[in-house]
Amino acid sequence: GDSVTQMEGPVTLSEEAFLTINCTYTATGYPSLFWYVQYPGEGLQLLLKATKADDKGSNKGFEATYRKETTSFHLEKGSVQVSDSAVYFCALRKDSNYQLIWGAGTKLIIKP
Amino acid sequence: NAGVTQTPKFRVLKTGQSMTLLCAQDMNHEYMYWYRQDPGMGLRLIHYSVGEGTTAKGEVPDGYNVSRLKKQNFLLGLESAAPSQTSVYFCASSTHGRPDTQYFGPGTRLTVL
Repeated sequence: GDSVTQMEGPVTLSEEAFLTINCTYTATGYPSLFWYVQYPGEGLQLLLKATKADDKGSNKGFEATYRKETTSFHLEKGSVQVSDSAVYFCALRKDSNYQLIWGAGTKLIIKP
Repeated sequence: NAGVTQTPKFRVLKTGQSMTLLCAQDMNHEYMYWYRQDPGMGLRLIHYSVGEGTTAKGEVPDGYNVSRLKKQNFLLGLESAAPSQTSVYFCASSTHGRPDTQYFGPGTRLTVL
C-alpha cells in the first residue's frame, strides 16, 4: 500500500545551520505531497505542498521539491532559527482520495 | 474565529470506562477527521466525515464510534476504553474544494489505566 518514510529524529542543529529532513514515498500514480509542522503544544499546520513532479513548494524559508524519479520530497532550509524547533510531518494524498497518508514525523531541535 | 477546538485537553480513564471527545470548527468546513498520534507512528486516521450526517471508517476504527449531527461538530466516542487507546487525539477539518489543507485542533491527551 501507499506509505511515507521520514528520517528518524531527533535532528539537532545549531542556529543558522542548513537543514535537510528526508522524506520518501511509495505510491502508484501521481500523489500530491505535503509538509506539515507541529509546534510544541499545538496542532499540525500546513507548511508547504507540491502537486506534480518537479514542483517546488516553499514557505517561511523552507523548500521541498517533488522528485518523482527518486520518489522523494526532502525538506530544506538554508538557515534555521530556534523558533523552527518543532515536529515535521511529510504526507501524501492520492488524486482519487481526500485522505492523507502520514510519515512518522521528525523532531527538530535548534540550539542557540 | 477560533478555528478548530477540542474538548477536553486532557483525560484519564480507567479500563472499561466510556467517554466522548468533542471537536468543533467555525470555518464551515465540509470535511472533518479524527486522528490518533502515537510515538514513532505518525498520524493514523480513525474516522472521517464528508458532511453532516455522514461518517466513514479510516485506518484504525475499531473501538471508536463517531457522530456528525451538526456540520460544525464531530464527536469521537470510546464505549469501553482500553490501555491500547492511550494516545493523543487530533481533530481536523478541511473544505470540499481544498481537502489537502487540513486545519488541526490542539489535541486531547488521553490516558487509559
